[in-house]
Amino acid sequence: NAGVTQTPKFQVLKTGQSMTLQCAQDMNHNSMYWYRQDPGMGLRLIYYSASEGTTDKGEVPNGYNVSRLNKREFSLRLESAAPSQTSVYFCASSARDRGSSYEQYFGPGTRLTVT
Amino acid sequence: AQSVTQPDIHITVSEGASLELRCNYSYGATPYLFWYVQSPGQGLQLLLKYFSGDTLVQGIKGFEAEFKRSQSSFNLRKPSVHWSDAAEYFCAVGGGGTYKYIFGTGTRLKVLA
Repeated sequence: NAGVTQTPKFQVLKTGQSMTLQCAQDMNHNSMYWYRQDPGMGLRLIYYSASEGTTDKGEVPNGYNVSRLNKREFSLRLESAAPSQTSVYFCASSARDRGSSYEQYFGPGTRLTVT
Repeated sequence: AQSVTQPDIHITVSEGASLELRCNYSYGATPYLFWYVQSPGQGLQLLLKYFSGDTLVQGIKGFEAEFKRSQSSFNLRKPSVHWSDAAEYFCAVGGGGTYKYIFGTGTRLKVLA
């Protein structure tokens, strides 16, 4: 049971390049999330997927797109990277079923630098 | 507006001393409350959670937290801190029919030997 996995762990992009961050969970959770973490700002929600087939914007969605590929996988795409997107990105999942405990499980993060 | 406030950005304590990290929230519905810990370069790990019932909840690594509805607070405590507790701690709130969670900005704990 790997929990939540993210690839890659590190990435350096030039301004204007695109990339996709991958996330997968093996806990059969319905809900998945993408956050960014910046110093002094905590975690800010970029997008989330309440269940397979649905996605919704969070607090800071501009410049990002997401795909809920199936129940296990939730990817985050940067179409044209900007230096302001330099951050650590975390994927998380949560059961959100009746009887579940609602906590989120986090991946190890992707450290992205845009030059 | 919904928010979580962790008023202490940094806290330094000596090993063996007691610890209290503060968390205040503003939330329109019945809150589900969480504390997470993040070691350097790692993801977040759940320490404990509160949904309902007993307002004093026990978590992993000897941590506990008390929910005080009248004060909109969910402070994290540990009677005796170990050097390995040095990390960043995040308070979060969710629930009330929304799938979103709101995180505080974190408190970085330093432990002196």
